[in-house]
Amino acid sequence: DAGVTQSPTHLIKTRGQQVTLRCSPKSGHDTVSWYQQALGQGPQFIFQYYEEEERQRGNFPDRFSGHQFPNYSSELNVNALLLGDSALYLCASSGPDSSNQPQHFGDGTRLSIL
Amino acid sequence: GQNIDQPTEMTATEGAIVQINCTYQTSGFNGLFWYQQHAGEAPTFLSYNVLDGLEEKGRFSSFLSRSKGYSYLLLKELQMKDSASYLCAVSGSNYQLIWGAGTKLIIKP
Repeated sequence: DAGVTQSPTHLIKTRGQQVTLRCSPKSGHDTVSWYQQALGQGPQFIFQYYEEEERQRGNFPDRFSGHQFPNYSSELNVNALLLGDSALYLCASSGPDSSNQPQHFGDGTRLSIL
Repeated sequence: GQNIDQPTEMTATEGAIVQINCTYQTSGFNGLFWYQQHAGEAPTFLSYNVLDGLEEKGRFSSFLSRSKGYSYLLLKELQMKDSASYLCAVSGSNYQLIWGAGTKLIIKP
């Protein structure tokens, strides 16, 4: 039973570039949440996708966008990259009522902006 | 505003007991989660509390008091592998998890 998988593992970009990160949820899960985690900090909620739509969004600018596909996999896109976007990006999946179900995390994508 | 507070760092001795506290102020409450995160790895689920009281799961227990906006994670018989960050997260309104910054637990022999 595959857990949450994310790709790529590491990525190096320069300021102003665009990046796409990918996530496949755990089998049986249909809800995907994306988080940004800076070093020494807790995860910061970016947005959550359910039924191919953005259901909830955290306090992130429009440069951060996403998509969910019919197979429940998801992408996170970040445009016009800034140095401050350097972080670990975590994808978590759960059943539809994620308010009371544990989220299962992937190993993350470490994004470095030069 | 919404806020979750945890101590930044704690140190304990192998074989001992440690309690990690978490206080929260959130709009809406649908439960509180504890996660463990080893350096460079993804968070892994430890416990979930939605009703007041103590939930025990092996060496780990978690307590919740909704009226006080307070929870703690209790780790018994500490092992070196318990060295990690422990994250408190509250499920508020609109399906959103609000996370604390995490408590780095250092276990000494």
